[in-house]
Amino acid sequence: DQQVKQNSPSLSVQEGRISILNCDYTNSMFDYFLWYKKYPAEGPTFLISISSIKDKNEDGRFTVFLNKSAKHLSLHIVPSQPGDSAVYFCAASPKEYGNKLVFGAGTILRVKS
Amino acid sequence: SAVISQKPSRDICQRGTSLTIQCQVDSQVTMMFWYRQQPGQSLTLIATANQGSEATYESGFVIDKFPISRPNLTFSTLTVSNMSPEDSSIYLCSVRGGPWTTQTGELFFGEGSRLTVL
Repeated sequence: DQQVKQNSPSLSVQEGRISILNCDYTNSMFDYFLWYKKYPAEGPTFLISISSIKDKNEDGRFTVFLNKSAKHLSLHIVPSQPGDSAVYFCAASPKEYGNKLVFGAGTILRVKS
Repeated sequence: SAVISQKPSRDICQRGTSLTIQCQVDSQVTMMFWYRQQPGQSLTLIATANQGSEATYESGFVIDKFPISRPNLTFSTLTVSNMSPEDSSIYLCSVRGGPWTTQTGELFFGEGSRLTVL
């Protein structure tokens, strides 16, 4: 049972345009959400997070939006750059499990120059 | 942020053999986590390794198959025992951010160990 789903395996975007990566979750106990970026042959690196008490968090070119009623979050990258090409993982943390993250399967983003 | 080094970075193994993956962190951490990423799938937590106590395994993972050592606050090993092709995965070591990290989620990951079992 996948509790965190990234339904788009891949996304291709032109440089300078907006990239929107989507993530859905099923467990209403999740209260903290994160995005990680992974380059080939490297471990995932933390990108941005959002608490369930917020609906938006912004950090430079990266913005994460959370819609709790829809159990949906998205990552917006504006403007997209070729260096953003990577695999992006959505992750969620259940309230009662302090150190466990549940990951989605990832979305491959390709930014074309 | 923590710097995490894993060895080996990749290996090709024969069915039925065992392989031990090492994880070294550049700072002392209480908890270390071992994740697995099977081809095309998400990262899945195998176990949490605490120094001085037995590792805590997630559902579907057992100590006989994935024994873990945690001899000190900067080092851990994960052994994949009696390997089969289904164990072909990337195995990742991770730690939490520093004590200033109040939220659970900011994990730092090693570069991963890619195992291929023939």
